[in-house]
Amino acid sequence: DAGVIQSPRHEVTEMGQEVTLRCKPISGHNSLFWYRQTMMRGLELLIYFNNNVPIDDSGMPEDRFSAKMPNASFSTLKIQPSEPRDSAVYFCASTPLSSSPGEQYFGPGTRLTVT
Amino acid sequence: KQEVTQIPAALSVPEGENLVLNCSFTDSAIYNLQWFRQDPGKGLTSLLLIQSSQREQTSGRLNASLDKSSGRSTLYIAASQPGDSATYLCAVKRTYKYIFGTGTRLKVLA
Repeated sequence: DAGVIQSPRHEVTEMGQEVTLRCKPISGHNSLFWYRQTMMRGLELLIYFNNNVPIDDSGMPEDRFSAKMPNASFSTLKIQPSEPRDSAVYFCASTPLSSSPGEQYFGPGTRLTVT
Repeated sequence: KQEVTQIPAALSVPEGENLVLNCSFTDSAIYNLQWFRQDPGKGLTSLLLIQSSQREQTSGRLNASLDKSSGRSTLYIAASQPGDSATYLCAVKRTYKYIFGTGTRLKVLA
């Protein structure tokens, strides 16, 4: 398996623009997580999907952020409009089952810079 | 609310030393604890997973222990090498959520 795949790996955009980050989880995994990592706040959970359904979006910073999982093999995280404070590394991760004590597998991340 | 703390925040050691990284958590009701390695500009790589019923796990030069009652885990790295230089993160899982520590930045000097 190729592991968790994220695209793009780097994104530079201007304030106010829409940004879409993409994730393909490991095949067979039914739980997907989006995280944001910054120096100041470390790794923060943004949203969690189980069987393509958003279960917990309490970590989404504000209405400018939205996430979808239209099927088991694809998820997007959208920021509209983007702001400089959104600059961070965004990670996607998947696990086999939400209720199992299994390992979490991370993608390589998308480094977002908003100027 | 679960809080995860890692001490020290940074560590610099000469090659060959054995070292211990610490992770503490406030709520002992966890499913598991996972140790990750993160290289600069990269994602997180899982090193060891300890189930809540286990006391320790070993992989090569790495050994992780778990003491749920005291809310502590340690990652022991034997005979450290420059290639071990990275940030090490621990994460505890309760229900579906993983709560991460802020990491220990390790530098092993040749």
